[in-house]
Amino acid sequence: GAVVSQHPSRVICKSGTSVKIECRSLDFQATTMFWYRQFPKQSLMLMATSNEGSKATYEQGVEKDKFLINHASLTLSTLTVTSAHPEDSSFYICSARVGRGAPGVETQYFGPGTRLLVL
Amino acid sequence: DAKTTQPPSMDCAEGRAANLPCNHSTISGNEYVYWYRQIHSQGPQYIIHGLKNNETNEMASLIITEDRKSSTLILPHATLRDTAVYYCIVGEYGNKLVFGAGTILRVKS
Repeated sequence: GAVVSQHPSRVICKSGTSVKIECRSLDFQATTMFWYRQFPKQSLMLMATSNEGSKATYEQGVEKDKFLINHASLTLSTLTVTSAHPEDSSFYICSARVGRGAPGVETQYFGPGTRLLVL
Repeated sequence: DAKTTQPPSMDCAEGRAANLPCNHSTISGNEYVYWYRQIHSQGPQYIIHGLKNNETNEMASLIITEDRKSSTLILPHATLRDTAVYYCIVGEYGNKLVFGAGTILRVKS
């Protein structure tokens, strides 16, 4: 299947700094990518939908000025956590959607996740 | 909110079939049933999806009831590496996936 990578896999930062997480589709083009957040022992929570060349669509309750999303190309989306605080510490996961094709094809491929720890 | 209901946990003996149920009584006609699993500290892995017919691939089988209000994921010969959280998700094909709590499957030797 298609591969989605994330970088970095783990990051530790000081409170008040900004952190950028990259999500790349390695062998396919993704017009749409999704960003999720997962706290310990909880399920994945969708944060936003990122479409190439346009503004991201944020889920209710997610601060768009704090979680900046850029989808500048068909293979790269970035999530920047601005002025990070300890409560932003979480597991951030992206997924990339293959273009609408035959229903027999998997729809979304997930990255391995990025673990953020804010001190 | 998630549109599915799954048991919080299940145990299965290694080598036996694991049958994971999912209720989705409010599913609409154009919504698919997707199954993903997440092994600890990793991103979710796609397993299978279907609309109304039963589906089978190299990983699992998906049995959808005729009224589409419930489904069962079958891992035919569970191994220890199948221990994970299994998520049943309904949604329109290609749209965003909303994850519920899932089922923790523990495969025991």
